[in-house]
Amino acid sequence: SQQGEEDPQALSIQEGENATMNCSYKTSINNLQWYRQNSGRGLVHLILIRSNEREKHSGRLRVTLDTSKKSSSLLITASRAADTASYFCATDARSGSRLTFGEGTQLTVNP
Amino acid sequence: SAVISQKPSRDICQRGTSLTIQCQVDSQVTMMFWYRQQPGQSLTLIATANQGSEATYESGFVIDKFPISRPNLTFSTLTVSNMSPEDSSIYLCSASRGSITGELFFGEGSRLTVL
Repeated sequence: SQQGEEDPQALSIQEGENATMNCSYKTSINNLQWYRQNSGRGLVHLILIRSNEREKHSGRLRVTLDTSKKSSSLLITASRAADTASYFCATDARSGSRLTFGEGTQLTVNP
Repeated sequence: SAVISQKPSRDICQRGTSLTIQCQVDSQVTMMFWYRQQPGQSLTLIATANQGSEATYESGFVIDKFPISRPNLTFSTLTVSNMSPEDSSIYLCSASRGSITGELFFGEGSRLTVL
């Protein structure tokens, strides 16, 4: 079954607002990654958080990881229209040998 | 980072034909992968392209249907054989400089439509 599940499936906000997306997974992991995909394009790596980390920042991005709840969140602060994209989490199960991608959250930032 | 070029970017194919997608990385990478993505959906790993040896296929994907080559550290091809409309999808090449579960770089994808 899919390792990562994200919610919401779709999120629409106004420019300047914060956007929060969540990812839940089922098995223990080594790390969790977030990717962005603009419409019709490939995926772009945003951030990687290891299982022994609780929070990580990169510019306007903030990622948290709660291994006890098997969940992660991606926060985009002060959103811009250019942030409109699909966002995917990807996990590597400790017993696995590949990254497994979640279903993604479609974020729309209205100008 | 690594820049990955994929071609064709899109194609319309007839049922029963085969199409080869090429993937070129601008620098040497450790791992190369092929994914399939239906529009608006998640990615499914097809196989890991191994340099100089047979690719490692995921459950549900077989070499006869998706033959893969990787003759060197920067180039790989994926062929979709004997296509049917169910093969209509986006095929993505990706690469990693580290482990199999490290940061991935992606090509722009090849959107195939099979009539």
